[in-house]
Amino acid sequence: EVQLVQSGAEVKKPGESLKISCKGNGYSFTTKWISWVRQMPGKGLEWMGRINPSDSYTNYSPSLQGHVIISVDKSISTVFLQWSSLKTSDSAIYYCSRHTEGVSDYWGQGTLVTVST
Amino acid sequence: DIQMTQSPSSVSASVGDRVTITCRASQDIRTYLAWFHQKTGQAPKSLIYAASTLQSGVPSKFNGSGSGTDFTLTISDLQPEDSTTFYCQQYSTYLWTFGQGTRVEI
Repeated sequence: EVQLVQSGAEVKKPGESLKISCKGNGYSFTTKWISWVRQMPGKGLEWMGRINPSDSYTNYSPSLQGHVIISVDKSISTVFLQWSSLKTSDSAIYYCSRHTEGVSDYWGQGTLVTVST
Repeated sequence: DIQMTQSPSSVSASVGDRVTITCRASQDIRTYLAWFHQKTGQAPKSLIYAASTLQSGVPSKFNGSGSGTDFTLTISDLQPEDSTTFYCQQYSTYLWTFGQGTRVEI
């Protein structure tokens, strides 16, 4: 069974760093791209960026380029999303999703990130 | 960026009804259009890709159509569990964009 299992909820202060994860199970991990999608409180879905786990090639939404980094550790079938300096506006639920035919098919359960003083 | 506009923003229907949601792209996206739904507090689930192809396991009560800039999602035989928010998304360019969502209330 294909599963994307995300790390748990986080509470951070502005300026802190954070790395959340998404582990792929039940399929050949390096054959499917992974995207990160953000959902701010009460809002819709926003694509952030994607990574090819086989070669770590990434691309990002221009609005987020430079603020987040997407990376992968193939040895543990896990993709990461990280910030070096969080802002309160980064408070959101973050979903990872797997691509097939160029589009998301399976989704992680989501990671709630709260950034507050 | 390609803008995706859904209508209506919300719709109320009864059990057994059929509902149609439209999605319009700001430029030609051929059939690079997907539909998702999301229950409150849950992760999105994938319904349709390539405008009309059902994802594995998705029931045939969901029907997608369209190409170019205009697309529709029709949901037949509405049931209480169909009370969710539906999103369209284009993947014609590397910069994916979503519609703002359509809330369906049963």
